[in-house]
This record gives sequence, structure tokens and C-alpha cells, in this order.
Amino acid sequence: GQQLNQSPQSMFIQEGEDVSMNCTSSSIFNTWLWYKQDPGEGPVLLIALYKAGELTSNGRLTAQFGITRKDSFLNISASIPSDVGIYFCAALRGTGANNLFFGTGTRLTVIP
Amino acid sequence: DAMVIQNPRYQVTQFGKPVTLSCSQTLNHNVMYWYQQKSSQAPKLLFHYYDKDFNNEADTPDNFQSRRPNTSFCFLDIRSPGLGDAAMYLCATSRDRISTDTQYFGPGTRLTVL
Repeated sequence: GQQLNQSPQSMFIQEGEDVSMNCTSSSIFNTWLWYKQDPGEGPVLLIALYKAGELTSNGRLTAQFGITRKDSFLNISASIPSDVGIYFCAALRGTGANNLFFGTGTRLTVIP
Repeated sequence: DAMVIQNPRYQVTQFGKPVTLSCSQTLNHNVMYWYQQKSSQAPKLLFHYYDKDFNNEADTPDNFQSRRPNTSFCFLDIRSPGLGDAAMYLCATSRDRISTDTQYFGPGTRLTVL
């Protein structure tokens, strides 16, 4: 299926730094999701966004549903070593099981 | 806690030897999905069950089959695994298939084909 344009592909940051990643598309979506995947594990849902312009926080994580419904960003504040992993954005539109589209992932490395 | 469970977590099989992967859910969701994920790529949808209705993706090889005997369980059968089928297999569920129904993933089964 269609993939979302996710950037950056990878990030190397020092512990304590803030992180920002985003996803864009040429299509409109009804729901934006951010998942984190640790090595050898399945994706774990971090934040779900259901309304254009919505800004939602989950601890040190903040995500926003873009006003045009074509983009979303995820911020992580004061990164810690356990933030290491791959972050996927995903978005839903329409109906049917093939309505979930994934970004290409951002691999985050946190240097202690 | 309600969750999606996959067994086994790691499966090793031989080239051509059939293998079955298992998924169960306590969320009582109507929809169950199977995804294939390779090398840190995004998951790729193979098929899904909406209740008892099986829905195959057009590009899913015939080598992959699925069964859903009841609401809670879903199985992925690989009839004759090839080396290219080595991957992480993810099960996911959602309440329904509308565009506000979030998918929840299990921990995955990593399949190795020797």
C-alpha cells in the first residue's frame, strides 16, 4: 500500500536532548497514529490522533494531527536510553482493512 | 490487561516444511490482521478477517493461508516456506474497519527458514 513520507530516517542524539520527527502525505487521512517498535517486538501504540489540529501528549511524547490532515509530527522531550527504537507513523482513511498506511520509520539512537 | 498474544515468539522451520503461527486476543475485536515485516521495513498486510469473512490482499502469495475458528483466535499457515518467507509476522486487531479504529499489534513471531 501507499507509504507515508517519514523523516528523518535515522537520528543519533545525546541523552537529554529533544527529538522531532514527522510524516507527510499528499492524501488526506482521518486518523494519525504513532507506534514504537523495539527490536524483536511488535509495534506499540504511543499516541492516536483523531481530529485535525489535535495536539496530544503522553508523558514526554507530544504529537499533532496537521490542520490540513496530510501530516503529523511526534516530539520526544528529554530523551532517555529506553527511547531507542524505530518509530512508525501510520494513518487511516476510508473503510476496509487496507486503509492503514505506514511511514518508512525513524530509527532513534540515544547516546548515554 | 486486554491484549494480543502471539505464539510462538520464535519459530524455526525447514525449507518446504509447513508451519502454523498463532494469534489470540482478549479485546473482543471484530477484525484480526496478519502482517509480514522484513528488515525494519513497515509491516505489509497479508490478509484480515472481519468477523468470519476472510479478505486476502491481491499480492499475498497462495502459500499463505489463514483460519479464524472463533472470535479470539486466528492462525497463519505457511504451506511451503521458502527462504524469502523468513520475516517477523505480526498479528493485529481492531474493533472495526472504519477510519477511526486503531489497530493494536501483538509482539510478533520471528520466523527463520533453514
